[in-house]
Amino acid sequence: GENVEQHPSTLSVQEGDSAVIKCTYSDSASNYFPWYKQELGKGPQLIIDIRSNVGEKKDQRIAVTLNKTAKHFSLHITETQPEDSAVYFCAASQGAQKLVFGQGTRLTINP
Amino acid sequence: DTGVSQNPRHKITKRGQNVTFRCDPISEHNRLYWYRQTLGQGPEFLTYFQNEAQLEKSRLLSDRFSAERPKGSFSTLEIQRTEQGDSAMYLCASSIGQGATEAFFGQGTRLTVV
Repeated sequence: GENVEQHPSTLSVQEGDSAVIKCTYSDSASNYFPWYKQELGKGPQLIIDIRSNVGEKKDQRIAVTLNKTAKHFSLHITETQPEDSAVYFCAASQGAQKLVFGQGTRLTINP
Repeated sequence: DTGVSQNPRHKITKRGQNVTFRCDPISEHNRLYWYRQTLGQGPEFLTYFQNEAQLEKSRLLSDRFSAERPKGSFSTLEIQRTEQGDSAMYLCASSIGQGATEAFFGQGTRLTVV
C-alpha cells in the first residue's frame, strides 16, 4: 500500500521568511496530493492540492510542486506570518479513494 | 450548510462502555470517510462510504468498530467495549466522490477512555 514520508517534523522560521515542507510517496498509482493545515483542537483544513498532470500550483503565498519521477512533492509558504503557525500534513491518494497522510510538520513562525 | 458537522465534540467514557459518534457531511457529497488521529500523528484511514455502501475498511477497524451510513446521508461510528487504546480524535470527511476531488474534514470527536 501507499506510504507517505514527511520532513521535517518541526520547522521554525522568522516572520517574513519562507518555509518548505517535503513529502515522498511510494505508490506510483497515486494521482492526487493535498496539503492540510491543522490548528490545535480543530480538524484538518485543506489549503492547496495538486493532481499528477500538473507540476506546480500556486495560490497567493502558498505553492506546491510535484515531481512524479522522483515521487516527491513539496509545500512552499512565502512571506510567512504568525497565523501560519500550525501543523501541516501532506497526503496522497488515488482519485477519490482514501488519503494516506504523512506524519506532520509543526511550523512555528517567530515574530 | 457550512461544512462537515461532527457530534459530540468531546466524549469521556469508562473502559468497557459503548460509544457512538455522528457525522453529517456536506450536502450532496456522496463519499464519507472516517479517520482516527492520535496525538502527534497524521490521520489514519478507518473506512469510507459511497452513498450508503461501505466500500473499504482498514485493518485498524477491529470487530469492535462498526460504521453505518443509512440512506447515504449522515453516518455513525460505534465503538463497543471501549479500551484505553481507543482514545483518539475521530475525524469525518466528505467529498463529492467523482474523480480526484477534495475531501473536507469536520472538527472531530475527541474520545477519552478512562
